[in-house]
Amino acid sequence: DAGITQSPRHKVTETGTPVTLRCHQTENHRYMYWYRQDPGHGLRLIHYSYGVKDTDKGEVSDGYSVSRSKTEDFLLTLESATSSQTSVYFCAISESQGAYHQPQHFGDGTRLSIL
Amino acid sequence: DAKTTQPPSMDCAEGRAANLPCNHSTISGNEYVYWYRQIHSQGPQYIIHGLKNNETNEMASLIITEDRKSSTLILPHATLRDTAVYYCIGKGTSYDKVIFGPGTSLSVIP
Repeated sequence: DAGITQSPRHKVTETGTPVTLRCHQTENHRYMYWYRQDPGHGLRLIHYSYGVKDTDKGEVSDGYSVSRSKTEDFLLTLESATSSQTSVYFCAISESQGAYHQPQHFGDGTRLSIL
Repeated sequence: DAKTTQPPSMDCAEGRAANLPCNHSTISGNEYVYWYRQIHSQGPQYIIHGLKNNETNEMASLIITEDRKSSTLILPHATLRDTAVYYCIGKGTSYDKVIFGPGTSLSVIP
């Protein structure tokens, strides 16, 4: 299995508080992604990174920011959490380097509840 | 990315082959077909992918029709641990987002 660790695995917090989720990889893969999964919506991309300090928005990026200061870590921050951000968050990684169509590998998820 | 269509659910007897179909009639020439699965409350797991030739690995086989408009994922000897939601995805370059549709919920029955 790909070396991906998400932390925390579970978190309960209150509306209006800042929250940071961490994704750590040991594979030295270039690309990293944050998705959220909700009933009836499947997996939706929040942000992704194509290198250190290089990030871009996905389809549901409002209310989220990301940072990638080193290859192995990709942080997702909810600046002021809202109840609509209650979800399961998945991190994924993928490789490039000329291997054009490498698949994404996913972490085990973070279950976030915002009360 | 290509739009894919899968049946919402399927059953398969334990020990038998599970054949999961996927239609991807809008797939473009440079898009690969990927299959993932998600076991309840776990992260999606990559299974296999292919462009136009049939592919096989330790988990499954992928059969792609000659016109590339559909494919079939084959789990040769389904076990109870194969019960999961299976997603078929058409995708281009590696950094493209992976668009997961509703998938097929496979139940392997003892």
